[in-house]
Parts: sequence; structure tokens; C-alpha cells
Amino acid sequence: GENVEQHPSTLSVQEGDSAVIKCTYSDSASNYFPWYKQELGKRPQLIIDIRSNVGEKKDQRIAVTLNKTAKHFSLHITETQPEDSAVYFCAASGYSTLTFGKGTMLLVSP
Amino acid sequence: NAGVMQNPRHLVRRRGQEARLRCSPMKGHSHVYWYRQLPEEGLKFMVYLQKENIIDESGMPKERFSAEFPKEGPSILRIQQVVRGDSAAYFCASSPGRAEAFFGQGTRLTVV
Repeated sequence: GENVEQHPSTLSVQEGDSAVIKCTYSDSASNYFPWYKQELGKRPQLIIDIRSNVGEKKDQRIAVTLNKTAKHFSLHITETQPEDSAVYFCAASGYSTLTFGKGTMLLVSP
Repeated sequence: NAGVMQNPRHLVRRRGQEARLRCSPMKGHSHVYWYRQLPEEGLKFMVYLQKENIIDESGMPKERFSAEFPKEGPSILRIQQVVRGDSAAYFCASSPGRAEAFFGQGTRLTVV
């Protein structure tokens, strides 16, 4: 089955800095890569996703890049704000199961 | 269109009792996933179902746990003879197919 590795497990940045979270996947058949944000005590919420026919996607301060050859994808958050503090999960999906990475706790200090 | 609905939000069970967790997917979604999340840990896949079919149950413990998604009604995750180690948040997500999945609020199970 699919295996998703996510790094780092914790990331601390100053407000206004950029944050990058990286994931690798093992199944070359995976073709859908969403990112979720989970605030404490709440449900994971989809923030951005990318499909394998696209190399990069941007939505305001967040962007995701995908390198199919290397089987890795990354989340980039620019101009971070304290409300960006949360746990971020990457995931990969092929024909069935959505497999998640272990999560990155992002802490943005004012 | 209401989101993914899970109930109950909180469930307390004594060791040895049964826990039933319900998930109503978003309208038009026929795919349901169940995940377990321990405190300060990630989302661990349990089972993936479509209407009346279990597609992938590779993450489900072999004993005491079962899941169903009947033709009518919500998906049910059933845990028999609960133990303290079953205490966790159980999240359900639904999807219209091979596309974005949306999560419910979760059921927080506490076994005392």
C-alpha cells in the first residue's frame, strides 16, 4: 500500500516568515495530493490540493508543488500569521484509500 | 448542503461495553473513510467503504471492530468490548469519488 512520509514534525517560525512542509510518497499510481489543516480540537479541513497532471498550484498565501519523478510534494505558506498555527497533514491517494502523513505542527510566533 | 455529520460528538463507555459511531456523508457522496486519531498523533486509516461494500479494511483491527455503510442510512463503526486503548477521536470523511474528502467533527470516545 501507499506510504506517506512528512517532515518536519514540528516547525516554528516568526510571523511574516515562510514555512515549508515536505512529503514523499511511495506508490507511483497515486495521483491526488491534498493538504489538510487541523486546529486544536477541530476537524481536519482541506486547504489546497493538487493532481498529478499539474506541477504547482497557488491560492493566496499557500502553494503546493509536486514532483512526480521524485515522488514528493510540498506545502509553502508565505507571510505566516499566528492564525496559521495548527497541525498540517499531507495525503496521497490513487484508486482508493487516502493515506496521510503523520502531520507537522506549525507554530507561528507574533 | 449539510457537511459530514457524525454522532455522537462525545461517547463514554465502560470497559467491555459496545460503542457505535455514526457518520452521515455529505449529500451525493458515496465514499466514506474512517480514521482514528490518538491525542497529539496523526490520522490513522481504518476502513474505506462505498455503499454496501467494504473496499479497504487494511487499517482495521482484526477483532472487535467492524464497519458498514448500508444502502440506506449512515455508516456505522462498531467497537465491541471496548478497552481503554480504544479511547481516541474517530473521524469520518466522505468523498464523491476519487476527489477531495471532507471530514466530520469527529466522535471522541472515552473508555472508563
